[in-house]
Amino acid sequence: NAGVTQTPKFRILKIGQSMTLQCTQDMNHNYMYWYRQDPGMGLKLIYYSVGAGITDKGEVPNGYNVSRSTTEDFPLRLELAAPSQTSVYFCASSYTDRGGGNTIYFGEGSWLTVV
Amino acid sequence: AQSVTQLDSQVPVFEEAPVELRCNYSSSVSVYLFWYVQYPNQGLQLLLKYLSGSTLVESINGFEAEFNKSQTSFHLRKPSVHISDTAEYFCAALVQGAQKLVFGQGTRLTINP
Repeated sequence: NAGVTQTPKFRILKIGQSMTLQCTQDMNHNYMYWYRQDPGMGLKLIYYSVGAGITDKGEVPNGYNVSRSTTEDFPLRLELAAPSQTSVYFCASSYTDRGGGNTIYFGEGSWLTVV
Repeated sequence: AQSVTQLDSQVPVFEEAPVELRCNYSSSVSVYLFWYVQYPNQGLQLLLKYLSGSTLVESINGFEAEFNKSQTSFHLRKPSVHISDTAEYFCAALVQGAQKLVFGQGTRLTINP
């Protein structure tokens, strides 16, 4: 049981390049999320998905796209990288507790620098 | 809309001293509350959570947090910290029935020998 796995861990992009951050989970969780973390700002939700085929925008979706063709995978795509997208990106997944709560499990993060 | 505020961006303490990391939330509906810990260059790990029942919740490594509905707070405490507790701590809230977790800005806990 690997949990939430993200790749790559580190990447340097040039302005205008495109790339995809991969995320997969093996816990059969319905919900998946992408967050970005910037110093002093906490985590901001980019996109989330409540199940295969369903995605929705979070707080900061501009400049990103996602897809959810399977329960396991939730890739995040940057189409035209900009310096403002330099950040640490976290993928996460969750399930609903018996008590109705939602415990979220995070991947180890992807450090992205746009130069 | 819900929001989470962590009142201190940095908290330096000496080893074996007590610590409190403050968290307040705002929401017009019932929420679930969480504390996550992030060690350097790692992802976030769940430390503890409040869903319902007893307002005092504990983690396996000596931290505890108390849900206070009247003060809309969920402060994290530990009576005696260790060097290994050095990390960033995030408070988060989830509106009941929703799927989106809202995070505070984080508090960096630094333990000095």
